[in-house]
Amino acid sequence: EAQVTQNPRYLITVTGKKLTVTCSQNMNHEYMSWYRQDPGLGLRQIYYSMNVEVTDKGDVPEGYKVSRKEKRNFPLILESPSPNQTSLYFCASSFHGGATEAFFGQGTRLTVV
Amino acid sequence: GESVGLHLPTLSVQEGDNSIINCAYSNSASDYFIWYKQESGKGPQFIIDIRSNMDKRQGQRVTVLLNKTVKHLSLQIAATQPGDSAVYFCAENYGQNFVFGPGTRLSVLP
Repeated sequence: EAQVTQNPRYLITVTGKKLTVTCSQNMNHEYMSWYRQDPGLGLRQIYYSMNVEVTDKGDVPEGYKVSRKEKRNFPLILESPSPNQTSLYFCASSFHGGATEAFFGQGTRLTVV
Repeated sequence: GESVGLHLPTLSVQEGDNSIINCAYSNSASDYFIWYKQESGKGPQFIIDIRSNMDKRQGQRVTVLLNKTVKHLSLQIAATQPGDSAVYFCAENYGQNFVFGPGTRLSVLP
């Protein structure tokens, strides 16, 4: 089954404790992206990647890092999480960026206390 | 479930009626548009897409209309069912990426 898989689905952590949210897709997509979704603000792009070893900042990259060492994986790293990073996070992938439909993961609900 | 849109506009329709959800987009250079459906606790799911060389596209029970003159997109759902209750939002491409609208919550009344 074609899918984007995120882990974990739920995570509660403390301020400053590094964490990684994993994202994997099995569709051989070149493009992958991370979004955060907050009430009243909709989906905002954090980082995206057009291909292996190619990553770029989205609209809200501060406090986040990503890597794209393999085509299928695109982890989101929070080196020192803060409470304002409490949000619902989605990973998405598509064949060719903004030219084809994006497939989304199920989401990761992160709470930073 | 996840609370993804506490402040979203809401459209309430009777079961069996048709629904129309609207979206204004911002970039006149956008040439590809998508409607997504997001149910509580789930990620956005693709419903239908349309490219700028078309003004209408139909799927199963859904139709998307594109008016490039006024930068407006609409999603029509025929014979709305309880399973259609969700948040719907449009996406326009912007260079390599997508920009997403704020969303509309569709509530189907019995």
